[in-house]
Amino acid sequence: DGGITQSPKYLFRKEGQNVTLSCEQNLNHDAMYWYRQDPGQGLRLIYYSQIVNDFQKGDIAEGYSVSREKKESFPLTVTSAQKNPTAFYLCASSMMRGLNTEAFFGQGTRLTVV
Amino acid sequence: AQRVTQPEKLLSVFKGAPVELKCNYSYSGSPELFWYVQYSRQRLQLLLRHISRESIKGFTADLNKGETSFHLKKPFAQEEDSAMYYCALLTSGTYKYIFGTGTRLKVLA
Repeated sequence: DGGITQSPKYLFRKEGQNVTLSCEQNLNHDAMYWYRQDPGQGLRLIYYSQIVNDFQKGDIAEGYSVSREKKESFPLTVTSAQKNPTAFYLCASSMMRGLNTEAFFGQGTRLTVV
Repeated sequence: AQRVTQPEKLLSVFKGAPVELKCNYSYSGSPELFWYVQYSRQRLQLLLRHISRESIKGFTADLNKGETSFHLKKPFAQEEDSAMYYCALLTSGTYKYIFGTGTRLKVLA
C-alpha cells in the first residue's frame, strides 16, 4: 500500500528533551517536507529536502533539525531550543518533475510538551 | 519574498449559493499553483492545480498572473464542500512548497 506514514500519532515530551518525529514514504518521491500547523497560521514550512543528504531551511527552522540519509525517510527532531514546540506536525512528499508535482501528506503527529 | 495570502479565515455560505475563496501569491518566477482541501478527520489532499485547468467536484480556479491571484470558485455550494481549503505555491528550481493560512468553508443548509 503506497503512501506516506508518520509516527507516532501522539507524542508527549518533557521540557528540555529532544524528540524525533518519523516520516517514511514508499512513493519514490524526490522531495520531502515538514510543516507545522497551528490554528489560524496555516502550514508553515520547517525544512525541505530535494535529494538524499541535502536539505534546506524553511521559514521556521529554528529549534528543529532534520536528516535525509535515505530517499524514503525524512525524520524531524524537535530540540529543546524550540521555544513553543507544542503543535501539529505534517510531513509531505512530492515528485519534482513533470506534471505530477502533487504533494502527498501524512496523517500528522501531535506533539505536546508537558 | 515568496508568499501565499488567503485573506479570509472563515467563509460561510448557504447551500446552492456561489463560492469564491480568494488566494493571492507573491513570487518572481513562474509559479505552479494548487488548491488543497482537508475534510474533517482526513488527510490534506489535492483538489486541483492550475496546470491541469480542470474542474474537480465543481470547483475551478484560474491563474491570473496580472493580479497574481488564483481564486477558487464553485457556482453552487454543497454541504459536503464544508472543509479547510489551502492555496499553495510550488517554486521552480528550488521546489519549495508554500502554503497559505487556509480558509474554512462552512456551507449552511
